[in-house]
Amino acid sequence: GDSVTQMEGPVTLSEEAFLTINCTYTATGYPSLFWYVQYPGEGLQLLLKATKADDKGSNKGFEATYRKETTSFHLEKGSVQVSDSAVYFCALSENRGSTLGRLYFGRGTQLTVWP
Amino acid sequence: SQTIHQWPATLVQPVGSPLSLECTVEGTSNPNLYWYRQAAGRGLQLLFYSVGIGQISSEVPQNLSASRPQDRQFILSSKKLLLSDSGFYLCAWSGPRAGTYEQYFGPGTRLTVT
Repeated sequence: GDSVTQMEGPVTLSEEAFLTINCTYTATGYPSLFWYVQYPGEGLQLLLKATKADDKGSNKGFEATYRKETTSFHLEKGSVQVSDSAVYFCALSENRGSTLGRLYFGRGTQLTVWP
Repeated sequence: SQTIHQWPATLVQPVGSPLSLECTVEGTSNPNLYWYRQAAGRGLQLLFYSVGIGQISSEVPQNLSASRPQDRQFILSSKKLLLSDSGFYLCAWSGPRAGTYEQYFGPGTRLTVT
């Protein structure tokens, strides 16, 4: 079945460091891919998405490219800030033509950025 | 624009007591609605989803139930809470059109069963 595997955390970085959080997926069709961010005590926020191979999603300095050949959707940011400290979730949706798109989430990666 | 509300924000309930958590969505019609639970450790577990009024699908058989009495209202209930029901409960919605699968989450309810 469809699933997402993301790197285990926690990830600890100094401010302005480069960030990569790895995400790989298993899917039978052509899923859409997402990154969500969760700040302490809050719900999940959609950070970026990509709906087909080679698409690049980007938002707030974060980027991720949909790589079908490696079934990956790694999250990157060139220079992290203390305010980026949060839990990051990779997710995929099964696009099977129905109106319901179930999301499959990774287990989340805790990022802590120190000043 | 669309907004999603959940209440209460926090709840402390004794074991064996009933539960009712409410979620409402504004600014859209006929959304798909979802209940998730996030236990300590961050992982998300899908509990229920609904594609329309009165239509509920359960992902995990357990001590909880869900109802959708109105198009944009989704309720999570329990008759008798267990200690293991503690967690962070998240409601989410997605658009009804095929091909728009991203979900948008509410602020969550922190439930502590004592």
